Amino acid sequence: EVQLVQSGAEVKKPGESLKISCKGSGYRFGSQWIGWVRQMPGKGLEWMGIIFPGDSDTRYNPSFEGQVTISADESSNTAYLQWSSLKASDSGMYYCASPVLTLAFDIWGQGTVVIVSS
Amino acid sequence: EIVMTQSPATLSVSPGERATLSCRASQSVSSNVAWYQQKPGQAPRLLIYGASTRATGIPARFSGSGSGTEFTLTISSLESEDFAVYYCQQYKNWPPQMFGQGTKVEIK
Repeated sequence: EVQLVQSGAEVKKPGESLKISCKGSGYRFGSQWIGWVRQMPGKGLEWMGIIFPGDSDTRYNPSFEGQVTISADESSNTAYLQWSSLKASDSGMYYCASPVLTLAFDIWGQGTVVIVSS
Repeated sequence: EIVMTQSPATLSVSPGERATLSCRASQSVSSNVAWYQQKPGQAPRLLIYGASTRATGIPARFSGSGSGTEFTLTISSLESEDFAVYYCQQYKNWPPQMFGQGTKVEIK
C-alpha cells in the first residue's frame, strides 16, 4: 500500500525549534517529489514547498522561503519540515503529499498539528 | 506566481442536484489543474487531475473540464458524502503550485 505517515502533534513555545516528519512506503520514495502544505485553522490550503529526495532538489513558495527548511533522507524514506524559531502564527495543520501516480498530489499524509503558544 | 480564483465561496445545493464549481487561473496553465475534496478533520483527497481525468476510485458523478484559464468541477447528482470543501490547484508553473481558496458545498 502506498502511504505517507506523519509524526504526531506538537505543542511548542514561541522561539523553540521543531522538525516534523513524513515517512513514505509502498513506492520508490527517492523517485517522487514530496511536498508540504499548510492549513491554518479554518483556512485553505497553502503550498509551502517540495523536495525530490533522490537529489535533494528543493523548491519553495517565496512566501515560505527562509521561514522553514524542507529536507529528506532517502535512506529512511522520510521527508522533514523544520523551523528554527517558531512563532504563534506557525500554528496549524501541516500535510505532506506526493504525486506518486499522477502529476498532482495523489497521496497525502494524515497531517501533523502544530500548536505554538506561550 | 499564478493565482487560482475559485467561485463561488459557498454553494448551497440540495441532495440529488447538480453542483458546478469554477476555478480561474491568472494565466494559462494548459490542462495542469487538479481538484481536491476535503472533509472536516480529514486530509484532502485528489478527485481530478489533468483537468478532466478522475483519480483512482473517484465516482463517475465527479467530472472536470476546461483548459487554459477556465476550469469547472461538476458533481452531477450530489450525495450526502459530497458536502465538503473543494480546492483547485495548478501544477504547470511552479514553485509555487498554488491552490484556489476553496468552495464549500453545503446542504441547502
